[in-house]
Amino acid sequence: EVQLVQSGAEVKKPGESLTISCQGSGYTFTSNYITWVRQMPGKGLEWLGRIDPRDSYVAYSPSFQGHVTVSADKSISTAYLQWSSLKASDTAVYYCTRVATDCGGDCYSSSWGQGTLVTVSS
Amino acid sequence: ELVMTQSPAILSVSPGERATLSCRASWSVNSNLAWYQQKPGQAPRLLIYGASARATGVPARFSGSGFGTDFTLTIGSLQSEDSAVYYCQQYNMWPPYTFGQGTKLEIK
Repeated sequence: EVQLVQSGAEVKKPGESLTISCQGSGYTFTSNYITWVRQMPGKGLEWLGRIDPRDSYVAYSPSFQGHVTVSADKSISTAYLQWSSLKASDTAVYYCTRVATDCGGDCYSSSWGQGTLVTVSS
Repeated sequence: ELVMTQSPAILSVSPGERATLSCRASWSVNSNLAWYQQKPGQAPRLLIYGASARATGVPARFSGSGFGTDFTLTIGSLQSEDSAVYYCQQYNMWPPYTFGQGTKLEIK
């Protein structure tokens, strides 16, 4: 069974750094892109960026470029989303997703992690 | 940036009836359109991809149609467990692969 298991909820102060993780299992981790999606409280879904675990090439949404860093360690089948200086506006649930491979490139998200709630408050 | 617009924002339908949800792209996405269902407190779940293909395990009462800029998700014979927010997403042009703002489906 394909699973994406994300790290637990975090409570941080503005200006602090944070890394959350997403571990894939039940499939070959390097066979699929991983995307990150943000959902702010009571709001919709926003596509943040995606990584190819084979070579760690990342494509970011222009709205998030420079604000977050996406990375992956294929040796432990884990992708990461990192902030160097959190803001209150980063408060949201962040989902990782496994991208399907039948589109010949970027594609829809066939599996989703359970989400990680990040709360940034002074 | 390509914009996805969903309508209506809220839809209230009686059990057993049909629900029709719309998604419009600001320019053509061909058939590179997916639909997701999100229930409260849960992660989204893939329902439809390629505009009309049902994902594994999705009941046959869910169907998708459309091409280019106009798409429809139809849920036939609504059941109480279909109460959720439904999102469309285009994956034709990146970055980003934009989502619609969602349609909240309420079962009367």
